[in-house]
Amino acid sequence: DIQMTQSPSSLSASVGDRVTITCRASQSVTKYLNWYQHKAGKAPKLLIYAVSNLQSGVPSRFSGSGSGTDFTLTISSLQLEDFATYYCQQIYSTPYTFGQGTKLEIK
Amino acid sequence: QVQLQESGPGLVKPSETLSLTCTVSGDSINGYYWTWIRQPPGKALEWIGYIYYGGGTNYNPSLRSRVTMSVDTSKNQFSLKLNSVAAADTAVYYCARGKEMSRVIYFDYWGQGTLVTVSS
Repeated sequence: DIQMTQSPSSLSASVGDRVTITCRASQSVTKYLNWYQHKAGKAPKLLIYAVSNLQSGVPSRFSGSGSGTDFTLTISSLQLEDFATYYCQQIYSTPYTFGQGTKLEIK
Repeated sequence: QVQLQESGPGLVKPSETLSLTCTVSGDSINGYYWTWIRQPPGKALEWIGYIYYGGGTNYNPSLRSRVTMSVDTSKNQFSLKLNSVAAADTAVYYCARGKEMSRVIYFDYWGQGTLVTVSS
């Protein structure tokens, strides 16, 4: 199985901050990397697919980059509604695997 | 607006079978990869597998011997059965829609999740 490692595991930030979350794969997943946002008790939400493609309806302050084994999710200017847990996921090969999550908290 | 809703027992006894159904509204079940994902308490999301609308399946090898998925296009539903459950199967179970674009599959709609506890 491909292991996905996110860093940091948790992060405190303020409204307006620029935030970057990283995701590293145990082997190359080329472009097959998605990002999700999850708030407790709600359905997870797709933010970005195939490394850098913004899902319809997702604000442009979210962006993704990377290739191979190293990827980043950037939020350019944090809003209150962005405080949540973020997961990367590889869909290069089954079993599809997720990172352990990065919990973004209000400072 | 596409919506997915999981349903099924919240409590299952050890060694018995966990059965969940996901009802899809707002779109046809045709053309997608209907997926189950779970999250044990304090742990990462785990992909259980998917069933294509035509009936083809792909299961996580770690669960393959215990998992069966099915789809009922007439009811716009798909289902998960996990047999011989143990405490380690206690988790929030999510259903999700997998969409493929240029060989990339992404899960664009999810249910809210249902907690299934395995306990006697």
